[in-house]
Amino acid sequence: GAGVSQSPSNKVTEKGKDVELRCDPISGHTALYWYRQSLGQGLEFLIYFQGNSAPDKSGLPSDRFSAERTGGSVSTLTIQRTQQEDSAVYLCASSLRAGGYNEQFFGPGTRLTVL
Amino acid sequence: GENVEQHPSTLSVQEGDSAVIKCTYSDSASNYFPWYKQELGKGPQLIIDIRSNVGEKKDQRIAVTLNKTAKHFSLHITETQPEDSAVYFCAARGVDNFNKFYFGSGTKLNVKP
Repeated sequence: GAGVSQSPSNKVTEKGKDVELRCDPISGHTALYWYRQSLGQGLEFLIYFQGNSAPDKSGLPSDRFSAERTGGSVSTLTIQRTQQEDSAVYLCASSLRAGGYNEQFFGPGTRLTVL
Repeated sequence: GENVEQHPSTLSVQEGDSAVIKCTYSDSASNYFPWYKQELGKGPQLIIDIRSNVGEKKDQRIAVTLNKTAKHFSLHITETQPEDSAVYFCAARGVDNFNKFYFGSGTKLNVKP
């Protein structure tokens, strides 16, 4: 079956512009996660959804970052007024359910470059 | 929150040799530790995990050990093959939020044929 997909695969934007990153989770997966991976670094947790609800938004780096999920499926991560330090690979993952020991399946990521 | 440290950052071995990657964590209440393999241009993929109620887990050429007292866990790959070349990440699940994972900084493994 289809895995987690993300779009676009690459995004180059100018400082100050807004960007939207999209994640399509595996069908039937109720939990969805966003991570940021800076060059040569590990993954930094941003936010997770159980259904359409995001119980913990404390991982978002600033109020320029927001995320939503609709219909228990597609999620978008929005970064407003992008800064150069936002440049990174943004990874999305989904799992059958939140919590427990449910495996997270990752998408290929969106590489964001802010000039 | 949890702090996970991973080393080495790079590891080069000859095909057929063993590779060991080590991680430490800070919160003694952490109870779940997955390991991921990330190939170039792809997202991480779970390769093995261990829960805090066991000390070792094996899956073919891969094994993970956990020392709760010392708060460290290790990935062992035996009989390495060129296709094992990738970046490996360890992670620890958060205690206050079971959906939040803390990752190490990664180990780039190069298996030379």
